[in-house]
Amino acid sequence: QKEVEQDPGPLSVPEGAIVSLNCTYSNSAFQYFMWYRQYSRKGPELLMYTYSSGNKEDGRFTAQVDKSSKYISLFIRDSQPSDSATYLCAITDTGGFKTIFGAGTRLFVKA
Amino acid sequence: GAVVSQHPSRVICKSGTSVKIECRSLDFQATTMFWYRQFPKQSLMLMATSNEGSKATYEQGVEKDKFLINHASLTLSTLTVTSAHPEDSSFYICSARDRATGSAYGYTFGSGTRLTVV
Repeated sequence: QKEVEQDPGPLSVPEGAIVSLNCTYSNSAFQYFMWYRQYSRKGPELLMYTYSSGNKEDGRFTAQVDKSSKYISLFIRDSQPSDSATYLCAITDTGGFKTIFGAGTRLFVKA
Repeated sequence: GAVVSQHPSRVICKSGTSVKIECRSLDFQATTMFWYRQFPKQSLMLMATSNEGSKATYEQGVEKDKFLINHASLTLSTLTVTSAHPEDSSFYICSARDRATGSAYGYTFGSGTRLTVV
């Protein structure tokens, strides 16, 4: 079993749709959760991060963590064509020394 | 915000030659840098952890004699792919963590290097 499971997609949605991206993880020792966005042929950029269970909102983006079920989500409201990218979830252990990335979900937002 | 500069962005080399990739933290000091490899449509695979002033720690299955890592200063780490072969063709990405913040979040990534070995 992989430590982080993420559906690679691709996921295609129309402009304005609400997008839901999800990951599951297996090891409860990982306490920090992040979402990265990666455009084609570029390095990932940090989108959101959180530690605790619950929701964290930043503009059109909401990160959700459910530690009890080891499930993390990223919601994108009013999706735009510029949101088209690969979204990677990542988890980090308490010491911040080991980060595991999901496979990444390729998102296409059609105009 | 923190910026990590990685270059070259693209390199094509002949089989058997060596290629050096540089990763620099521009506005912060990084005691630890990470080197990843990414195949098309796949996630980032950690190759090694580079620690300033000490030997790198390689992940299982990564040949340390083939992928030489040097972290000579708090702002620079280099990855040298020695005697490159076509199967080494990949996207290599570095990331760094700001020593001052020591944050577990948000390692800053470089823009990646596309290596093609012909």
